[in-house]
Amino acid sequence: NAGVTQTPKFQVLKTGQSMTLQCAQDMNHEYMSWYRQDPGMGLRLIHYSVGAGITDQGEVPNGYNVSRSTTEDFPLRLLSAAPSQTSVYFCASTGTGKGNEQFFGPGTRLTVL
Amino acid sequence: SQKIEQNSEALNIQEGKTATLTCNYTNYSPAYLQWYRQDPGRGPVFLLLIRENEKEKRKERLKVTFDTTLKQSLFHITASQPADSATYLCALASSGTYKYIFGTGTRLKVLA
Repeated sequence: NAGVTQTPKFQVLKTGQSMTLQCAQDMNHEYMSWYRQDPGMGLRLIHYSVGAGITDQGEVPNGYNVSRSTTEDFPLRLLSAAPSQTSVYFCASTGTGKGNEQFFGPGTRLTVL
Repeated sequence: SQKIEQNSEALNIQEGKTATLTCNYTNYSPAYLQWYRQDPGRGPVFLLLIRENEKEKRKERLKVTFDTTLKQSLFHITASQPADSATYLCALASSGTYKYIFGTGTRLKVLA
């Protein structure tokens, strides 16, 4: 099993550009989530999904869109990048059962100029 | 608002000693509390889960306590080794949800 994979590992954007961060898991997990990690702020939940076709907002959803057309994939879209979105982004998936461990991807380091 | 506090200052200890990290929370009644390890440039890795009705959990050299009265969890690493040097994160979730709130993490450095 590859676990949770994320692409790209690094990305530099100009203000106003759009892009999609890819996330995929091969563990057949229903629950997936996106976090951003900033110095001194910890991990903050952006969006999450409890299954294909079902998504919801987390703590900091503004400026980001998600969709979940398959169990495996959960892409995160930045529609119009802003310097405030410079961060490290982590995707995670969780198996069934409350309290189960979250499996994190390796992260995408995004810089918006 | 819900708040999770972990000691933001780095913790330096000598090899072989027990490291104790603290996670305090306010305005929250978590049903689950998790601890993760994060190495520089990598995603967090799950270590332990403890539920609200459990006082203590152990896994090899790791021990977690959960005091819902004090609103605090303690994370212990016994016989610490330089390889234990990393940032440790606590995360809490309410009953009936998969949504976790993370603390900012504590950086641990074990000195040889």
